[in-house]
Amino acid sequence: EVQLVESGGGLVQPGRSLKLSCAASGFTFSNYYMAWVRQAPKKGLEWVATISTSGSRTYYPDSVKGRFTISRDNAKSSLYLQMNSLKSEDTATYYCARQWGRQGYFDYWGQGVMVTVSS
Amino acid sequence: DIQMTQSPSSMSASLGDTVTITCLASQDIGNYLSWYQQKPGKSPKLMIYGATNLEDGVPSRFSGSRSGSDYSLTINSLGYDDEGIYHCHQYYEYPNTFGAGTKLELK
Repeated sequence: EVQLVESGGGLVQPGRSLKLSCAASGFTFSNYYMAWVRQAPKKGLEWVATISTSGSRTYYPDSVKGRFTISRDNAKSSLYLQMNSLKSEDTATYYCARQWGRQGYFDYWGQGVMVTVSS
Repeated sequence: DIQMTQSPSSMSASLGDTVTITCLASQDIGNYLSWYQQKPGKSPKLMIYGATNLEDGVPSRFSGSRSGSDYSLTINSLGYDDEGIYHCHQYYEYPNTFGAGTKLELK
C-alpha cells in the first residue's frame, strides 16, 4: 500500500525558515517524480514544486521560486521542502504527492501538514 | 501560465441525479487533464486522468470528457458519498495549474 506521511509543519514567523519532510513507503520511491502541492485555508489547490527521479531536475512556480527548494533522498525514500523567507501568503496545508512522470498527474497524496506563517 | 476556469463554483443536486462540472483551459493542453475529489479535512483523491481515464477503484458512475478546450467531469446516479469539492488540474506544462474547485452538495 502506497503511503506518504508529511511532517515538520507548524507556526513560524514571517521571514523565517521551515523544512517539511515526506516519508514514502509501499512503492519504489526512486522510480517516481514527486511533488508538493499546497492549499491555503478555504482556497483551491496550488502546485508548489516537482522533482525528478534522480533529483537533478526541479520545477517551481514563480510564487515560490528562489525561496523554496525541493529535494529527495532516494536511499531514505524521503522527500523534502525547504522553505525560506516565509510570507503570510505561504500559510497553507502542504501535501506531498506522487507524480506520474515529468508531465504527470498526482496519483497518491499524503494527509497534509499545516504551515502557519504569522507573527 | 495556463488558466483553468472551473464552473460552477458550487452546486446542489438530489440523490440519483446526473451532474456535470466543467473546466475551460486558456490554451491547448491536449488530454493532460485530471480530476480530484476532496472530502472535508481530507487530501485530494485522483478520479480521472488523461481527461477520460478512470483511476482504478473509482466507480464507473464517474466519467471524463473533452470537447476542444472544454473538459467535463460527469457523475451519474449521484450518491451521498459523492459530496465534496472537485478540482481540475492541467499538467501539460509547468507551472501546473488547478481550477478553483466546485463544491458539490446533496439536497
